[in-house]
Amino acid sequence: GNSVTQMEGPVTLSEEAFLTINCTYTATGYPSLFWYVQYPGEGLQLLLKATKADDKGSNKGFEATYRKETTSFHLEKGSVQVSDSAVYFCALFVGGSQGNLIFGKGTKLSVKP
Amino acid sequence: DGGITQSPKYLFRKEGQNVTLSCEQNLNHDAMYWYRQDPGQGLRLIYYSQIVNDFQKGDIAEGYSVSREKKESFPLTVTSAQKNPTAFYLCASSPKDRGTVETQYFGPGTRLLVL
Repeated sequence: GNSVTQMEGPVTLSEEAFLTINCTYTATGYPSLFWYVQYPGEGLQLLLKATKADDKGSNKGFEATYRKETTSFHLEKGSVQVSDSAVYFCALFVGGSQGNLIFGKGTKLSVKP
Repeated sequence: DGGITQSPKYLFRKEGQNVTLSCEQNLNHDAMYWYRQDPGQGLRLIYYSQIVNDFQKGDIAEGYSVSREKKESFPLTVTSAQKNPTAFYLCASSPKDRGTVETQYFGPGTRLLVL
């Protein structure tokens, strides 16, 4: 079946530190991959996406590259800010009549000044 | 501005009571979804609808019901059969155009608490 595994949190970093949140997936077919971000008390916002192997999604300084050979889609940011504190969800979508987003459990990031 | 609205932001349910969570979108999206989020968990799909007057059960549909009478509206009823309804409920929608990736757009959520 289809599934997403994220590194467990919480992750605590100092401002301007480098961020990596690992995400690996199992999927039948050729999934599209997403990172969503959830700020406290809010819904999810799409952060970035990639639709095929070797694509790089990027937004707001965050990047993730679709690696088919390692079935991974790790999220990175070179210099985090306090405002990046949130929960980050990796997700995949495999198309089809009942295709839906499959989410990882989320990784909570706290950035300290 | 286009978007998804959910109401209320907080909802309290008494024992044996049915409650309905509202979800409205003005994005002209065909598909709509309901997810449940519990602390430390990812999102779990309750129901989804790809077209008006049609909907499908997700992974945890027991104790919930939905309707899709209008394209822009997808209300979720939490029935008394749902024994552990306390959670954060998220509604989402997505376009279903051919050739596009199914990116889902989320509402702000409704937190349901049991009295």
